[in-house]
Amino acid sequence: AQKVTQAQTEISVVEKEDVTLDCVYETRDTTYYLFWYKQPPSGELVFLIRRNSFDEQNEISGRYSWNFQKSTSSFNFTITASQVVDSAVYFCALGGLSGGSYIPTFGRGTSLIVHP
Amino acid sequence: DTGVSQNPRHKITKRGQNVTFRCDPISEHNRLYWYRQTLGQGPEFLTYFQNEAQLEKSRLLSDRFSAERPKGSFSTLEIQRTEQGDSAMYLCASSPGTGVTEAFFGQGTRLTVV
Repeated sequence: AQKVTQAQTEISVVEKEDVTLDCVYETRDTTYYLFWYKQPPSGELVFLIRRNSFDEQNEISGRYSWNFQKSTSSFNFTITASQVVDSAVYFCALGGLSGGSYIPTFGRGTSLIVHP
Repeated sequence: DTGVSQNPRHKITKRGQNVTFRCDPISEHNRLYWYRQTLGQGPEFLTYFQNEAQLEKSRLLSDRFSAERPKGSFSTLEIQRTEQGDSAMYLCASSPGTGVTEAFFGQGTRLTVV
């Protein structure tokens, strides 16, 4: 069985603070994929990043960065210099192979509130 | 708009009634997924199509739920004899049929059963 745990239910920060969203996963698969999605108040899930289990390189995209550590089964997401527009619910997801596709299993999400 | 389209956006129905939702995936995306999301929770997988074939179904998909994708393009999700516990956001997503890519989500259909 696959499982994604996002222990932080809600995080509140003031604009320009850095914030890290934690994600811990469980899987018996040797090949799997990890994803982060953003769900703004409008409701539509927006894809942010995909990582496969063989690529532990950290990635940076503008103010966003991701730290994948297979040894601790974690895939954490950091927003540097947060902005009010970053306020949203962020979901970590784990994709295991099923039916020919890596179907994402989502965590419960972390609600990020950035205050001006 | 070339994104995933879902209709209707909102549906209010009385308990016991049947409802049907439609999803139009991104053109040429072979894979289509249905998820359900309740308040404060992450999306829960319901079912997955590769073209017109339904390849995976979650145990969450009870006998009252049925999904189709007759020509491998749009998909419908029907809930029969709705219950209050069916109230949720129903999300559809699609992805290309080759390789591993992310799923692109629609804006969802919010169902309220009264």
